[in-house]
Amino acid sequence: GQQVMQIPQYQHVQEGEDFTTYCNSSTTLSNIQWYKQRPGGHPVFLIQLVKSGEVKKQKRLTFQFGEAKKNSSLHITATQTTDVGTYFCAGSNFGNEKLTFGTGTRLTIIP
Amino acid sequence: ETGVTQTPRHLVMGMTNKKSLKCEQHLGHNAMYWYKQSAKKPLELMFVYSLEERVENNSVPSRFSPECPNSSHLFLHLHTLQPEDSALYLCASSQDVRQGTYEQYFGPGTRLTVT
Repeated sequence: GQQVMQIPQYQHVQEGEDFTTYCNSSTTLSNIQWYKQRPGGHPVFLIQLVKSGEVKKQKRLTFQFGEAKKNSSLHITATQTTDVGTYFCAGSNFGNEKLTFGTGTRLTIIP
Repeated sequence: ETGVTQTPRHLVMGMTNKKSLKCEQHLGHNAMYWYKQSAKKPLELMFVYSLEERVENNSVPSRFSPECPNSSHLFLHLHTLQPEDSALYLCASSQDVRQGTYEQYFGPGTRLTVT
């Protein structure tokens, strides 16, 4: 079955440093979504990428979908304490729109 | 955010108990989902309902029994659970059952502990 892996599993950064999490799928994806889950909270939708090579920005967050549509990344510039949480990617395949969540990257910020 | 609500928020139950989790969505969505989130594991999809009809059951043990009486409400009936079933149970909804197309809106979850 489809597998979606994320690296790293944990990331500790000093406030103000940049952060990147990578998402890799075992199969070609039709689209990919990103979610953020704050500690003690629930996943909240951030964005969806559909096109090969697509890049989208939300303020300090930059999302990228790979050319082969098998990987994606989320980059945060100049992290802030409000960025703390676990970031999940979730992908679906052509013809089978089941959403498979990645393993997540937990980000902690050192003030 | 009150789009998707879940009750109770916390539940402790013995292995011989029977309990139910409730989810309600106020977004007018057609699809609803149950997920299990355990420590150090990715979100596991359990059940998918589209317009009250179950469209997916991901090999979930029969001690978990879902019910969808209408498109706004979803239940998860629990009986004779095991300690390894302790987890955060999340309900979600989306506009359509084509999960990859529409974003999912999650409820706050029920933290279940089986003793």
